[in-house]
Amino acid sequence: QKEVEQDPGPLSVPEGAIVSLNCTYSNSAFQYFMWYRQYSRKGPELLMYTYSSGNKEDGRFTAQVDKSSKYISLFIRDSQPSDSATYLCAMRWGAGANNLFFGTGTRLTVIP
Amino acid sequence: DVKVTQSSRYLVKRTGEKVFLECVQDMDHENMFWYRQDPGLGLRLIYFSYDVKMKEKGDIPEGYSVSREKKERFSLILESASTNQTSMYLCASSPSGTGANEQFFGPGTRLTVL
Repeated sequence: QKEVEQDPGPLSVPEGAIVSLNCTYSNSAFQYFMWYRQYSRKGPELLMYTYSSGNKEDGRFTAQVDKSSKYISLFIRDSQPSDSATYLCAMRWGAGANNLFFGTGTRLTVIP
Repeated sequence: DVKVTQSSRYLVKRTGEKVFLECVQDMDHENMFWYRQDPGLGLRLIYFSYDVKMKEKGDIPEGYSVSREKKERFSLILESASTNQTSMYLCASSPSGTGANEQFFGPGTRLTVL
C-alpha cells in the first residue's frame, strides 16, 4: 500500500465550478500537509501548506485536513482556465528533509 | 525571484552512455533533491543532500549517483544509461527545519535513452 493515494483523474470541469481534489494516507504520523500545483512542462510549486488538522483558506483555495479519517482535500472555488494543471498532495512527518511523500497527482482541466 | 535551474530541458542519450544532470539553486538552501517523475508513479526520490559533500539514498537510487561539491550545485549522474531511465528528472531545494515543507523545483529535464 502506498503511503499517499491520490486519484489521477483526469478531471474536467466548466469554468466557475467548484473543484474538489482529495488524497488519503496511511501513516498517522504525518503532521504537515501540502498541495503543489504543476503546470505543463514546469516543476511543481507550493500552493498551500497546513499543519495538523483543520482548514486553511487562501483566496479561492481552501485546504482541509481530517486526521481522524486520514483524508485531505483541496477545494477551488470559481475555477478558472488558469487553474488547469496537475495538483499533487504531499505530506511529511518529523524534521527530516527526506520525509516528504507525494501523491501521484490529479490532472485538472477547466473548460472556458 | 528564487530560482532552481537545470542544465538541460531535453536530453537524448544512447544506452550505456554516462549522463550528467546539473542543478543550481540561488537561495542558499541546505537541502537539495533529485526526483524522477513518471506517469502513474508520481514523484520518486532518487537522492538527496542536506549539506555539501553529504548525500543520502532515496527510494530508487539504483543506477544513479550524485555529487555535491558546492552548496548551490547538485549533480545527478547516470553511470550507464538504460532505457528504463527515460523519464522526467526534477531537481528541488529547500531550507532546513520546518522550512523544508516547501521545496522549490526546477523546470525539469526530459531525458530519453535510446
